This record gives sequence, structure tokens and C-alpha cells, in this order.
Amino acid sequence: DIQMTQSPSTLSASVGDRVTITCRTSQSIGTWLAWYQQKPGKAPKLLIYKASTLESGVPSRFSGSGSGTEFTLTISSLQPDDFATYFCQQYNTSSMYTFGQGTKLEIK
Amino acid sequence: QVQLVQSGAEVKKPGSSVTVSCKASGGASSTYAISWVRQAPGQGLEWMGRIIPIVDIATYAEKFQGRVTITADKSTSTTYMELSGLRSEDTAVYYCTRGMYYFDYWGQGTLVTVSS
Repeated sequence: DIQMTQSPSTLSASVGDRVTITCRTSQSIGTWLAWYQQKPGKAPKLLIYKASTLESGVPSRFSGSGSGTEFTLTISSLQPDDFATYFCQQYNTSSMYTFGQGTKLEIK
Repeated sequence: QVQLVQSGAEVKKPGSSVTVSCKASGGASSTYAISWVRQAPGQGLEWMGRIIPIVDIATYAEKFQGRVTITADKSTSTTYMELSGLRSEDTAVYYCTRGMYYFDYWGQGTLVTVSS
């Protein structure tokens, strides 16, 4: 099975900051990686798919990059609505789907 | 606009089974895979299995093999997830979600509480 390592688990930042979250996989997955945002009591929301494609309606301050085993989600200038938990998710034909452990983005 | 609407919260006894439904509307739902993902309180997301309704093929995560059954009724665009042999660790919010490689639409979640 493919293992996912997402870091950091918690991130404290201020409005206007640039932040980066990293996801590493134990095997190469090409660009089969997605990023989600989840707020308390709500379902996850798709932000980025295929490592770097922005989902329709998602603000352009969100961006994704990477391929193979290392991926990043960057928020260029944090807005108050961005404080939430973020998850990465990989797709692989043998392991199917695996999620990262999550990164809680908190207000500093 | 695609919507996935799930059945309501359940309280179950240990050892029993639960079935959660997920009705899709607003899109060609039978051509997409529907997965079930759960989230225990304060924890991360865990993929349980998926079905592709148009070919009626279900695939399960190894952890849940033998305990979970996912079925689909194409006539009503509804997918069902049955989890048997419930234990306290199965207390979680269960989500249905659409997609083959990533998940673009999600149900509202169904809280399943397992308690004696």
C-alpha cells in the first residue's frame, strides 16, 4: 500500500501570510494527487486535482505543484476564510485511494 | 448542479449492521464512481470502498473486506453502504463522494454512533 506523509500537522499563520503544506508518498504516483479543504462539521471541498489543476470556483491564491512522490499546496496570501484543515489524497490502481493525515491551519 | 443527499443519523448496538444511502441528482450519476469515506471524531479521512454503478463493480479497501458491502440502484440513482459487525471504533461520520481519481462532490455526511 502507498503511505502518505503530510506535514506539518498544525500550522499557525496570520492573514496575508504565504503558507505551504507538503505531502509525500511512499511510491511514485505521477500527478494523481488532490487537495481538499475541510471546515468543522462540513464535508471536504476539492481545491486542486491532478496535482496542480485548480477546481472551478476555487480562488487563485491556492496552487498545487509536484509530481512523483512530493507535492505541495500553497496559499499565496491567507484570507480569514482559509483557516481550516487541509488533506491530500492520492489515487493508485493497486492501493486505490489514501488520504494524508491532515494539516490544521490556525490563526496565529 | 450535482447533489448527493445521504440518509439520516443512526445509533446502533455493537455487533449489528448499518446501511447508509446516498441519492444523486443533477448529473449522469451512473457513469461515475461513488466512494464511501469515513471520518472518526477528530480524525482524518479513510476510504472504505467504491462502486461504479454503470457496470455494477464494487471495490473495497483491504481493511473493510468482508465487513462492507456497497451496492447501487441505477433506477433511483441511489448508492448504499452496509457495514456489519459494528464496534465502537466504527463511530464516525460516513460520506459518499463522487469521482474516479479525485472527489468533486460530497454528501452532507451521516453520523453513525455505535454504543451499547
